[in-house]
Amino acid sequence: KAGVTQTPRYLIKTRGQQVTLSCSPISGHRSVSWYQQTPGQGLQFLFEYFSETQRNKGNFPGRFSGRQFSNSRSEMNVSTLELGDSALYLCASSPTDNTEAFFGQGTRLTVV
Amino acid sequence: GENVEQHPSTLSVQEGDSAVIKCTYSDSASNYFPWYKQELGKGSQLIIDIRSNVGEKKDQRIAVTLNKTAKHFSLHITETQPEDSAVYFCAASKGGSYIPTFGRGTSLIVHP
Repeated sequence: KAGVTQTPRYLIKTRGQQVTLSCSPISGHRSVSWYQQTPGQGLQFLFEYFSETQRNKGNFPGRFSGRQFSNSRSEMNVSTLELGDSALYLCASSPTDNTEAFFGQGTRLTVV
Repeated sequence: GENVEQHPSTLSVQEGDSAVIKCTYSDSASNYFPWYKQELGKGSQLIIDIRSNVGEKKDQRIAVTLNKTAKHFSLHITETQPEDSAVYFCAASKGGSYIPTFGRGTSLIVHP
């Protein structure tokens, strides 16, 4: 069974630009969550999608958005990038609620 | 909402020693407590988890203990090896549509 796949693995963007990250969950998993990981803050929850609906949302500005498609693949978008958005963005999928989360390897975003 | 505190942020041990990482949580309704190991370039993987109806769980050199009254749980690694070096995250979850809350992570360094 293929794991959670995130693309791209690395990205360098300029301030003010926008970026789209992609996550393909494990087949059959309907819940997809996104996290931002920085050295000082650990794993910060961005949002969770379940069956194409945003079910939970963290405390991030509206520049951060996401969506989930009918095949459970998910994208997150960050507009008007700021230097502080530089981080490792992790996607995790779960088969059902309150069970193990399977993480992708992440997308390392650097904003210059 | 749930708040998870994780300590220490960095732990340095000699090969063969034991390592203990502690987490506390605030929401008494939390009932699922997973631990993840994050290695550079390998993503994050579940290493052990415990549910609130169990006080201790062991898997070879790794064990997790849970004290529901005190609302804390700990990861114990015995006979540490250099390959145990990684960042470890604890999390607390309460089921349903609630997403897990993660601790800030502990960087474990095992010196050969």
